[in-house]
Amino acid sequence: RKEVEQDPGPFNVPEGATVAFNCTYSNSASQSFFWYRQDCRKEPKLLMSVYSSGNEDGRFTAQLNRASQYISLLIRDSKLSDSATYLCVVNSGGSNYKLTFGKGTLLTVNP
Amino acid sequence: GAVVSQHPSRVICKSGTSVKIECRSLDFQATTMFWYRQFPKQSLMLMATSNEGSKATYEQGVEKDKFLINHASLTLSTLTVTSAHPEDSSFYICSASPTSGGALETQYFGPGTRLLVL
Repeated sequence: RKEVEQDPGPFNVPEGATVAFNCTYSNSASQSFFWYRQDCRKEPKLLMSVYSSGNEDGRFTAQLNRASQYISLLIRDSKLSDSATYLCVVNSGGSNYKLTFGKGTLLTVNP
Repeated sequence: GAVVSQHPSRVICKSGTSVKIECRSLDFQATTMFWYRQFPKQSLMLMATSNEGSKATYEQGVEKDKFLINHASLTLSTLTVTSAHPEDSSFYICSASPTSGGALETQYFGPGTRLLVL
C-alpha cells in the first residue's frame, strides 16, 4: 500500500463548481498533514495545513479523520486559476521530519 | 520573503558527465535543506535531507556516491549528480527550512531544475 494515495483524477469542472479531493495515508504515526498545489512544470506551493478540527481558508476547506487516516480538500466556487495539480502531503517521519507526497490530482476548471 | 533559488533551471548533458545543482535560500538561513526528485506524472520523492555542516541523510534506494550533497553554509546546498545517465533525467527540487522562527514543517521550495541526460 502506498504511503499516501489520492484520487487519480483528472477532474474537469466548470467555473463555480464545488470539487472535493480525497486522500488516505498508511502511517498511523503521521503527525502533520498538508495540501500543496503544483502548477505545470513548477515547484509545489503550500496551500494549507490540515488540522484535526478541520480548517477553512476562504473557498478552501480541509478535513482530517485520524481514525480513518483520511484527508480531504473541498474547493467551493472554483475559479479558472484553481486549475493545478493538488498534492496531499504527510509528515511521516515524526521527529525525523520527512514529507511524503501523493501523486496528486489534476484539476482543470473550465470557463 | 522566504525565497529559495535553484541554479541552473534547466540542464542538458551527455551521459557520463557530472552535473551540479545549487540551492540557495536568499533571505533566510536554513540549517536543513531537502532534495527531491520528480519523474513525469509521479509524486515528489525525497532523496536526502541535508544539514549544514554535517553529512546528508539519504533515503532508502538513493545512492549516496552518485548523488553528492554538500551543505557548507546556512544558505547554500549543492547536489551533484555524478556520471549521469539517461535514467537520471528528472525534475530535481530543493526545499529549505528556516533556522529559526518555524519548525521543519515550514519548507520553502525552489523552482526546480530539469535535468535531461542524453
